[in-house]
Amino acid sequence: GAGVSQSPSNKVTEKGKDVELRCDPISGHTALYWYRQSLGQGLEFLIYFQGNSAPDKSGLPSDRFSAERTGGSVSTLTIQRTQQEDSAVYLCASSLGAQGGDTQYFGPGTRLTVL
Amino acid sequence: AQSVAQPEDQVNVAEGNPLTVKCTYSVSGNPYLFWYVQYPNRGLQFLLKYITGDNLVKGSYGFEAEFNKSQTSFHLKKPSALVSDSALYFCAVRDHTGSYQLTFGKGTKLSVIP
Repeated sequence: GAGVSQSPSNKVTEKGKDVELRCDPISGHTALYWYRQSLGQGLEFLIYFQGNSAPDKSGLPSDRFSAERTGGSVSTLTIQRTQQEDSAVYLCASSLGAQGGDTQYFGPGTRLTVL
Repeated sequence: AQSVAQPEDQVNVAEGNPLTVKCTYSVSGNPYLFWYVQYPNRGLQFLLKYITGDNLVKGSYGFEAEFNKSQTSFHLKKPSALVSDSALYFCAVRDHTGSYQLTFGKGTKLSVIP
């Protein structure tokens, strides 16, 4: 079946602009996660959605970052007033549930470059 | 807080030789452990996981990993390396307290030399 998809695959933007990154999880997966992968920082958890529960935003690095998940499916990560330090690969993952042993399946990522 | 250490930034191995990529973890209670592989310009691909039961876990592409509770390790192994195994490997941990967040190691770059 179809895996997690993300768009765009690459995004180049100017400092100060807003960007939106999209994630389509695997159909039927109730949990959705955003991570950030940057050089020297490894993989950093950003935000987690589970069903209709309030999201866990504890990993968001600043109030310029926000995310929503509409209809329990597609998610959008928005970065306002982008800064050069926001340049990274943004990865989305989904899992069937949120139990500890549930496997997270990752999308191909969006590479964000802030000039 | 949970953490993962991958002590080697890079591992080089000759094609056909056995390979090991090391991972140690720190977590409260029992862990859930995962290995992922990342090829250039691709997302993370799930290889295998340990939840409970047998300490030796078999996964995709001939990879396996051994859970060692006393040494808090979960090393990834393969009996015979292929050039196509060259990639970036990540170990990740989750605890049993209900936390859904995966904590990843920094990654180990595996190079298999023909």
